[in-house]
Amino acid sequence: EAGVAQSPRYKIIEKRQSVAFWCNPISGHATLYWYQQILGQGPKLLIQFQNNGVVDDSQLPKDRFSAERLKGVDSTLKIQPAKLEDSAVYLCASAREGGSYGYTFGSGTRLTVV
Amino acid sequence: GNSVTQMEGPVTLSEEAFLTINCTYTATGYPSLFWYVQYPGEGLQLLLKATKADDKGSNKGFEATYRKETTSFHLEKGSVQVSDSAVYFCARSGTAAGNKLTFGGGTRVLVKP
Repeated sequence: EAGVAQSPRYKIIEKRQSVAFWCNPISGHATLYWYQQILGQGPKLLIQFQNNGVVDDSQLPKDRFSAERLKGVDSTLKIQPAKLEDSAVYLCASAREGGSYGYTFGSGTRLTVV
Repeated sequence: GNSVTQMEGPVTLSEEAFLTINCTYTATGYPSLFWYVQYPGEGLQLLLKATKADDKGSNKGFEATYRKETTSFHLEKGSVQVSDSAVYFCARSGTAAGNKLTFGGGTRVLVKP
């Protein structure tokens, strides 16, 4: 099966600019996750969708980050305005219902804010 | 909340040495446990997993056993190769409806020829 697709692969922006990342999960996977991985740290969950509904966004900095999954398939994560500390790899992952069968990660988008 | 603690790196080994990376998790509920590997410049790949107590996950010569009594899931490999140089992440699933993955901080392993 095709994997989790993410784009762009790399992005460099200036602070206070906006940026958007796109994710297309594995077909049929109801659950979609966005993680932030700061250099030298483990991934941290930003938001989790079940179909097109938000299950957990408790760690999402909602003053600047937003995410949507309008049709329950692909998803977009946006940052506006970006800060220097947002420099990280943004990982998208998908899973079948409940994650019992495992989670598949995309290659990520490496964001550098200068 | 749920958390995962793993030994800090970097761990530097010679080829054919024995590797152990310690991982412990918070004991809430009955999570599934995972080891992910991240090779230089690549994304996260599932290395192995275990879904219940006493299960042993194995892949590519790596093994880890789900120890409920010690809330541990230590990763081991008997004879490492240079190609095993990577960052290894221990993770646990949630047990509520969300079932998100919570990761440890990662352990960098460097295998020298």
